[in-house]
Amino acid sequence: KNEVEQSPQNLTAQEGEFITINCSYSVGISALHWLQQHPGGGIVSLFMLSSGKKKHGRLIATINIQEKHSSLHITASHPRDSAVYICAVPRYGQNFVFGPGTRLSVLP
Amino acid sequence: GAGVSQSPSNKVTEKGKDVELRCDPISGHTALYWYRQSLGQGLEFLIYFQGNSAPDKSGLPSDRFSAERTGGSVSTLTIQRTQQEDSAVYLCASSPGLAGVGVNEQFFGPGTRLTVL
Repeated sequence: KNEVEQSPQNLTAQEGEFITINCSYSVGISALHWLQQHPGGGIVSLFMLSSGKKKHGRLIATINIQEKHSSLHITASHPRDSAVYICAVPRYGQNFVFGPGTRLSVLP
Repeated sequence: GAGVSQSPSNKVTEKGKDVELRCDPISGHTALYWYRQSLGQGLEFLIYFQGNSAPDKSGLPSDRFSAERTGGSVSTLTIQRTQQEDSAVYLCASSPGLAGVGVNEQFFGPGTRLTVL
């Protein structure tokens, strides 16, 4: 079993749809990262959270420490949201382990 | 700009040659990370520097890989006797490394695409 798993692996949505990407992990953590990797390869940090919920614009991230599960939600999705979304957790210290990513395509 | 920069952006080398990849972190960031992303694969942790502490080298795949960070700023990742399986995008990230805050947000550079022929 991988230390960090994501679902779905691939996701295609119509513009405007509500999107949920899930991340489950088995390592102990102090915080979890959600990253966005654009088609050109650039990586942007979206959220770092250790409890509860965070919101930034149309993006919402939640985490349940007891269940070792986090979700990333995108409301009113747009084609520019098309990217690979990656969750990452520290295995220990700053040694991060990354999920395989979820490839999102939002069609106009 | 004020972001993380990496050079070169692309590097093509022959098997057996040594390569050096450079990372300039955001000014003032004390933490610096190197990652690798092979084609079609996820990100893989390589090494982590924090201030003057001994680096966490636990992710380096072999002794052909080494990294240093001079003056707590610029970092160089060196791969000796490159192999074809070293072909990947090498990403650098930095973070404020604030003490007592646990894990900090990371800011990623654009990466160096290494191709070993």
